[in-house]
Amino acid sequence: DQQVKQNSPSLSVQEGRISILNCDYTNSMFDYFLWYKKYPAEGPTFLISISSIKDKNEDGRFTVFLNKSAKHLSLHIVPSQPGDSAVYFCAASEDGGFKTIFGAGTRLFVKA
Amino acid sequence: NAGVTQTPKFQVLKTGQSMTLQCAQDMNHEYMSWYRQDPGMGLRLIHYSVGAGITDQGEVPNGYNVSRSTTEDFPLRLLSAAPSQTSVYFCASSSGQGRNQPQHFGDGTRLSIL
Repeated sequence: DQQVKQNSPSLSVQEGRISILNCDYTNSMFDYFLWYKKYPAEGPTFLISISSIKDKNEDGRFTVFLNKSAKHLSLHIVPSQPGDSAVYFCAASEDGGFKTIFGAGTRLFVKA
Repeated sequence: NAGVTQTPKFQVLKTGQSMTLQCAQDMNHEYMSWYRQDPGMGLRLIHYSVGAGITDQGEVPNGYNVSRSTTEDFPLRLLSAAPSQTSVYFCASSSGQGRNQPQHFGDGTRLSIL
């Protein structure tokens, strides 16, 4: 039973447009959420996070939105660049918890 | 600045063999963890440690052992390898016992069990 779900295995976007990656979760105890980016043959790297006390966090071209009532978060990349082509993982953890649970990932293709 | 270093990068084993995947970090992080990545399943937590001498199970601990004798090192042991353990293994570390802290990942060990 997956507690963190990324239902879109892949997404293709034109360079300069917005990329929107979605993530749903089932555990209402999750209160800290992260996005990681992964290139082939490398480990995931941290991109951006959000605490449950916020509904939006922004860092440059990357913005994460959290809708707690819907148990849904999304990552917006504006504008998208070819270097953004990678696999994006959504992750979540409980307050005070030591375990981070990851989604299956979404592969983003940004076409030049 | 090495960060998190995993060795080896690739390994092929026969069913029943044992081996240890090494992981070392030079950031003085308290929290370390092991994940496996399989197609369509993302990263699944195997074991984690919140400090030297303290380890605990993650989502998929069966078939794996860990120990944490120093802050820097967190080896993962496969006692009797099985084909189901074919995967890419990632080690990670973070500060603050891992609570609400991003993790730094190594580049992975690709393990094949024949």
